[in-house]
Amino acid sequence: EVKLLESGGGLVQPGGSLRLSCAASELRFSNYAMNWVRQAPGKGLEWVSVISGSGGTTYYADSVRGRFTISRDNSKNTLYLQMNSLRAEDTAVYYCAKVLGPSTTGVGFDIWGQGTMVTVSS
Amino acid sequence: SYKLTQPPSVSVSPGQTARITCSGDALPTQYAYWYQQKPGQAPILVIHKDSERPSGIPERFSGFSSGTTVTLTIGGVQAEDEADYYCQSADSSATYVVFGGGTKLTVL
Repeated sequence: EVKLLESGGGLVQPGGSLRLSCAASELRFSNYAMNWVRQAPGKGLEWVSVISGSGGTTYYADSVRGRFTISRDNSKNTLYLQMNSLRAEDTAVYYCAKVLGPSTTGVGFDIWGQGTMVTVSS
Repeated sequence: SYKLTQPPSVSVSPGQTARITCSGDALPTQYAYWYQQKPGQAPILVIHKDSERPSGIPERFSGFSSGTTVTLTIGGVQAEDEADYYCQSADSSATYVVFGGGTKLTVL
């Protein structure tokens, strides 16, 4: 059974940095693009970023472009999200999600992690 | 920026049919996906490519696309179907992912 496990969340001050990780198991990790999706408390889902299976292509939501960096280490079956210049509005549960099928974009997500909470507050 | 529009809430009695709509200008050219999310849990994919049902999802879940609107239908609603439902698609360039605002399904 494919599983995704996020880690790295926590409390950080405004302007600070945090790096999230997502470890994949039972998956040919490099075959699939991966995404980060977040959900602020009591709010809906918001897409954050996507990275292709090779890591060569990345896209970001306008709300995080220039502050967040998505990356992956296929030798470790791990996805990352480096978050800099954090703001209060970045407070959310962050989920990693695997795409359904071989494409990088224009597709849905068939496997999600359980999420990791990021709180930005002084 | 591109948006997908869903009704905030839908209410039905057990055994009735629930229909949740999602509207967006790019839906005629981009597939839609539907997710179910219960409190404190990660989303679960219930419909992909407008109308296909993943393995393990009950047959009472179905999807339909017509023009700029896609619809998730849950036939014979059960108490366990009470959840938030989100549609998801892509912009017209097929590059950026967009989620609808979510619909809270209440089973009366």
